[in-house]
Amino acid sequence: QVQLQESGPGLVKPSGTLSLTCAVSGGSISSSNWWSWVRQPPGKGLEWIGEIYHSGSTNYNPSLKSRVTISVDKSKNQFSLKLSSVTAADTAVYYCARGTGYCSGGSCYSSQNFDYWGQGTLVTVSS
Amino acid sequence: DIQMTQSPSSLSASVGDRVTITCRASQSISSYLNWYQQKPGKAPKLLIYAASSLQSGVPSRFSGSGSGTDFTLTISSLQPEDFATYYCQQSYSTPSTFGQGTRLEIK
Repeated sequence: QVQLQESGPGLVKPSGTLSLTCAVSGGSISSSNWWSWVRQPPGKGLEWIGEIYHSGSTNYNPSLKSRVTISVDKSKNQFSLKLSSVTAADTAVYYCARGTGYCSGGSCYSSQNFDYWGQGTLVTVSS
Repeated sequence: DIQMTQSPSSLSASVGDRVTITCRASQSISSYLNWYQQKPGKAPKLLIYAASSLQSGVPSRFSGSGSGTDFTLTISSLQPEDFATYYCQQSYSTPSTFGQGTRLEIK
């Protein structure tokens, strides 16, 4: 059974950088899956932030692209999120999730069906 | 970005009722539509993928249909554990986007 666990500071100062890590257990991060970050402001809906493949290929939400970096550490079977220049609008529960993927013609693609999720971690942006 | 609009935003129903939730995309997304269930304080759970495929372990009372721009999630006979918020999500193009959610409450 695949399990994902987010970790990182729960409080970040405005203009600072939010940093979270998602540890994957029960499966390899080097599988054919993609690994995503999704956030949910308190009482609101879901927003996809971006995803990474074990090769290091990434896709980002254009609305956040200038501030987001997602990286992977295969040796630790984990991936990470950095979001810079945060404001109160970035206060949210941040989830990591596994997206199904497939390979065809030598390239690998994300299906973005999120079948496993972490429990989520609340990050508050406040001074 | 593709906009996803769910209706209704909230719904009251009783145990045993048949319930349908609708999701409309701002452009055609073929069958690249997924449904999630989220309970308070919990992560979303994948119910349906590719518009009509039931995720492993999900009860058969859940079903999905549609293609193009209009989709539905149907719960054939509501159970107490089904009261939650439901989200649709398009995976046709990046960025993937979610509907605003439908809150299903006990009548």
